[in-house]
Amino acid sequence: GIQVEQSPPDLILQEGANSTLRCNFSDSVNNLQWFHQNPWGQLINLFYIPSGTKQNGRLSATTVATERYSLLYISSSQTTDSGVYFCAVEQGGNQFYFGTGTSLTVIP
Amino acid sequence: KAGVTQTPRYLIKTRGQQVTLSCSPISGHRSVSWYQQTPGQGLQFLFEYFSETQRNKGNFPGRFSGRQFSNSRSEMNVSTLELGDSALYLCASSFLQASAGNTIYFGEGSWLTVV
Repeated sequence: GIQVEQSPPDLILQEGANSTLRCNFSDSVNNLQWFHQNPWGQLINLFYIPSGTKQNGRLSATTVATERYSLLYISSSQTTDSGVYFCAVEQGGNQFYFGTGTSLTVIP
Repeated sequence: KAGVTQTPRYLIKTRGQQVTLSCSPISGHRSVSWYQQTPGQGLQFLFEYFSETQRNKGNFPGRFSGRQFSNSRSEMNVSTLELGDSALYLCASSFLQASAGNTIYFGEGSWLTVV
C-alpha cells in the first residue's frame, strides 16, 4: 500500500507561535484529508484537500499533488490546538492510509 | 445533523471471548468503514461496507468480521479475542466514494481492552 510519512513526530510550541506540519506520500492519491485527534480519541476533520490550498480560520493547508506532499499550517497556536494531527490519503475503495501523526503540545 | 455514533464507548473483555461493536453513520451516508488504532501499528483499515456489501478488506485475520444493515448501520465482530486486539476501534462514514470528493467522518470510537 501507499506509504505516508509525517513530520515532525513531536512538536512543542509556546502559545501564539506558528507551526508547519508536513505529510509526504509515496504515490498519487484521489483523496487527502487532515484530522485532529482529540483527547477522547475522535478524529475531527480539518481539511479535505487532494490538491490546492484551503484556509479555515487559523488553520490552512496546501497539497502539491505532483510532488506528493501536503502541509498543514497552524498560526497563533492555542492550548486547545494540542493533540495529534493525522494526514490520511486514499487511492480507491474508500481505504485510507494514515501517517503516524504529529503530536502537538501548546504550552501557555 | 447527528454525527457518527459508536457503541459501546468503553468495554473490557477476557481473552477468548468475542465482542460486537456498533456504528450508526451520518444520516444519508451509505458507506461505513472501520479502523483499528493501536500505539504500535497506528491507524489501520479493517473493512468497508456500502449498501450491505463488503467492498474492501484490510489485512486482518478472519476473526475480524463485519456487516451492514439495510439502514446503513454497521457492526463489527471480533471472535476469540487476543491481548493484541486491545485498541481503539473507529468507524467512519461517507456519502459515496471518498475518491469522488466525499469527506469521511469519524465517530468517537470504541475503546476495547482485552485482559
